[in-house]
Amino acid sequence: EPEVTQTPSHQVTQMGQEVILRCVPISNHLYFYWYRQILGQKVEFLVSFYNNEISEKSEIFDDQFSVERPDGSNFTLKIRSTKLEDSAMYFCASSEAAGRMNTEAFFGQGTRLTVV
Amino acid sequence: DQQVKQNSPSLSVQEGRISILNCDYTNSMFDYFLWYKKYPAEGPTFLISISSIKDKNEDGRFTVFLNKSAKHLSLHIVPSQPGDSAVYFCAASAWNDKIIFGKGTRLHILP
Repeated sequence: EPEVTQTPSHQVTQMGQEVILRCVPISNHLYFYWYRQILGQKVEFLVSFYNNEISEKSEIFDDQFSVERPDGSNFTLKIRSTKLEDSAMYFCASSEAAGRMNTEAFFGQGTRLTVV
Repeated sequence: DQQVKQNSPSLSVQEGRISILNCDYTNSMFDYFLWYKKYPAEGPTFLISISSIKDKNEDGRFTVFLNKSAKHLSLHIVPSQPGDSAVYFCAASAWNDKIIFGKGTRLHILP
């Protein structure tokens, strides 16, 4: 069964460092997302990406964040200068379509980011 | 500003009985609702969905009910099984928009 894969599963980084979280979405999917979940809190939307550009982003997704689809398969989330409060589980997701053709998003296993 | 609310952080149900997980939403533009299940150390997995044109959708042991006038939906699991112990996220989206998640309800199925 096709699945979304994320690497690494756990990343520890020092405050102020840059991190790149990697995701390989399901191959025929067109919409890509990043969500995060701070421990004990809800799953929060960060950004959606379609047709090689950001289609929507949340208030959380400030200038420190960026996303890229560097090749035909990977989808990355970069945090330029990490803060302690960026510590969370980051989930990548992909879906075939959105909107009226609402289909569910398939999620990866997540990357636990710990900023120290 | 919680657009999707799951007011019960946890719920314990005896094995074999019905589990009912509740969810309320505030955004009247939502037209598609989803339930996700999440085990520890795993990403959310899709469970069942319902479009706003329906008031009920059933898939095996799982049934989702939608009450648009009350902006309320619920997930019924019957009979509950030990493997159903997980965190359940209610989620919603409006046309062409991202999925908004609730905080989740941790379901414990008791032997």
